Amino acid sequence: GAVVSQHPSWVICKSGTSVKIECRSLDFQATTMFWYRQFPKQSLMLMATSNEGSKATYEQGVEKDKFLINHASLTLSTLTVTSAHPEDSSFYICSASGQGMGDTQYFGPGTRLTVL
Amino acid sequence: KQEVTQIPAALSVPEGENLVLNCSFTDSAIYNLQWFRQDPGKGLTSLLLIQSSQREQTSGRLNASLDKSSGRSTLYIAASQPGDSATYLCAVATSGTYKYIFGTGTRLKVLA
Repeated sequence: GAVVSQHPSWVICKSGTSVKIECRSLDFQATTMFWYRQFPKQSLMLMATSNEGSKATYEQGVEKDKFLINHASLTLSTLTVTSAHPEDSSFYICSASGQGMGDTQYFGPGTRLTVL
Repeated sequence: KQEVTQIPAALSVPEGENLVLNCSFTDSAIYNLQWFRQDPGKGLTSLLLIQSSQREQTSGRLNASLDKSSGRSTLYIAASQPGDSATYLCAVATSGTYKYIFGTGTRLKVLA
């Protein structure tokens, strides 16, 4: 149980385009989802926290207009990187937690974004 | 502001050796601490979760301990195997926020 999936697993795009990454909880209702970013040889950094039906809360230094997060249902959150640039190339990982799960976060497999 | 540090940054050991990975954190007001494994280019695999009220958790050859007062956790791996080679991350959820702050990781290589 408690499986989180991400789609796509990797994506390559041209500079200036927008990319959408999906995070789904497959067998539980995710009241809260978290988005992390990991640059090469660095640890994960929290970008934002989203609660179903509410606006996301962004960490300091993360541009909310550039990284659009939507958590419209209890099983799906999306992260859209708008006008992507090479410096946005990174590994994006989501996690989800749900009611009755002890606030434990379950992590997705990650999406590798490469911006040319 | 919570800061999480892991020592050593990299470790190379012969197969069969017992080893200890260290994690330290600056704010002892934590909700829980979790150890993860990450293979190159892959996502995270949760290994052990220790709630703030617990002192240790065990799963197979893995044992994680938690000492909140000193801001430390250790991950003990018994009888290491080449398949244990990966990066090990510890993450701390601070009380009240449930947000995970990740450590910098320890890259482990177990030699056959």
